[in-house]
Amino acid sequence: DGGITQSPKYLFRKEGQNVTLSCEQNLNHDAMYWYRQDPGQGLRLIYYSQIVNDFQKGDIAEGYSVSREKKESFPLTVTSAQKNPTAFYLCASSNTWTGTDYGYTFGSGTRLTVV
Amino acid sequence: AQTVTQSQPEMSVQEAETVTLSCTYDTSESNYYLFWYKQPPSRQMILVIRQEAYKQQNATENRFSVNFQKAAKSFSLKISDSQLGDTAMYFCAFMLGRDDKIIFGKGTRLHILP
Repeated sequence: DGGITQSPKYLFRKEGQNVTLSCEQNLNHDAMYWYRQDPGQGLRLIYYSQIVNDFQKGDIAEGYSVSREKKESFPLTVTSAQKNPTAFYLCASSNTWTGTDYGYTFGSGTRLTVV
Repeated sequence: AQTVTQSQPEMSVQEAETVTLSCTYDTSESNYYLFWYKQPPSRQMILVIRQEAYKQQNATENRFSVNFQKAAKSFSLKISDSQLGDTAMYFCAFMLGRDDKIIFGKGTRLHILP
């Protein structure tokens, strides 16, 4: 079955460490997205990529980095520069072409906690 | 810039009742896409219903329907015969083009009471 896989489900980070969240999709979607979810804040866009080897900053990109070397993969690195990284992170992908299947498909999320 | 506003942070209704969640948005464009996503306690985001702005007919999916008022920039979600499994956070969302990012409202937490 096609879908998006995020790993790990839970991640703990020590102060000063970089951590990488994985996002893999087998839907053949061109576009992929990373959102951060905090209580009462809804979903805020961190980075997105519409094509391999290209990506754009979202609304809260500071302290994060991404890469898009393969169509299927869009990993997110939370760097030590991100001062408040504890949050729930959601990855999504979308079909940007024609047809009735528009909108996002989401992964199951990664809960990141700073310890 | 486009914005999405959900004015009801939290709601509770009895099982089997009908409930309407409100959503307004702001855009100067004439064509766009609107969505309602559901996030149950598992935190998995699930697409409930979607609507293209150029289609005047309101979208329906089983017990879920929308009231799309383009002039008023309103996109409310109606859940009929509510069930305990409908308990979730509901997000209204806006997308300008198929290759564009989605903008989410802050959500409405819905409790279905037995």
